[in-house]
Amino acid sequence: AQSVTQLGSHVSVSEGALVLLRCNYSSSVPPYLFWYVQYPNQGLQLLLKYTSAATLVKGINGFEAEFKKSETSFHLTKPSAHMSDAAEYFCAVRGGQNFVFGPGTRLSVLP
Amino acid sequence: DTGVSQDPRHKITKRGQNVTFRCDPISEHNRLYWYRQTLGQGPEFLTYFQNEAQLEKSRLLSDRFSAERPKGSFSTLEIQRTEQGDSAMYLCASILAGASNTGELFFGEGSRLTVL
Repeated sequence: AQSVTQLGSHVSVSEGALVLLRCNYSSSVPPYLFWYVQYPNQGLQLLLKYTSAATLVKGINGFEAEFKKSETSFHLTKPSAHMSDAAEYFCAVRGGQNFVFGPGTRLSVLP
Repeated sequence: DTGVSQDPRHKITKRGQNVTFRCDPISEHNRLYWYRQTLGQGPEFLTYFQNEAQLEKSRLLSDRFSAERPKGSFSTLEIQRTEQGDSAMYLCASILAGASNTGELFFGEGSRLTVL
């Protein structure tokens, strides 16, 4: 079975500061991992995905994530936060045909 | 590619009424998923279809919930005798499932249900 934990339900950063959103997973098979972003009253949009190629994955809007098997982690980072990054972020793991999502982290960006 | 579309976007109903949501996936996608998302939570899996066949259902999908995908294209999710606990965002997602298992889900905008 697969599961995802996201440490920190709410993260606040100042504009221009580093963004770090944490994700740890549990999977009985080699995982495929995803980060999605959700803006209010909208669906989820893919930021990036890990599919067993490069461990450092670059996504849209300047985000990237690093897969660390030894730590079972897939943390999301962005060097410099922008006001438009304020949203809900979800980490997900695919095992077989199902996708399991974490509880999400709400990112606030302060001016 | 017009994306995944869901209708209606918002539905307010009284407890005990039936509601139906529709999802039109990306046209070439053969697999369709339904998720439920409550406030401050991540999406929870409800069910998925491969073409017209419903292959898996979550225990969250009580007998008041039924989903169909009759021709392997659009899908409907019906909730009978709605309860206040059914208030949530219902998300539909689709994917082209094939030899490659690295694909991601494409989500619609969701249908928000409020049960009074």
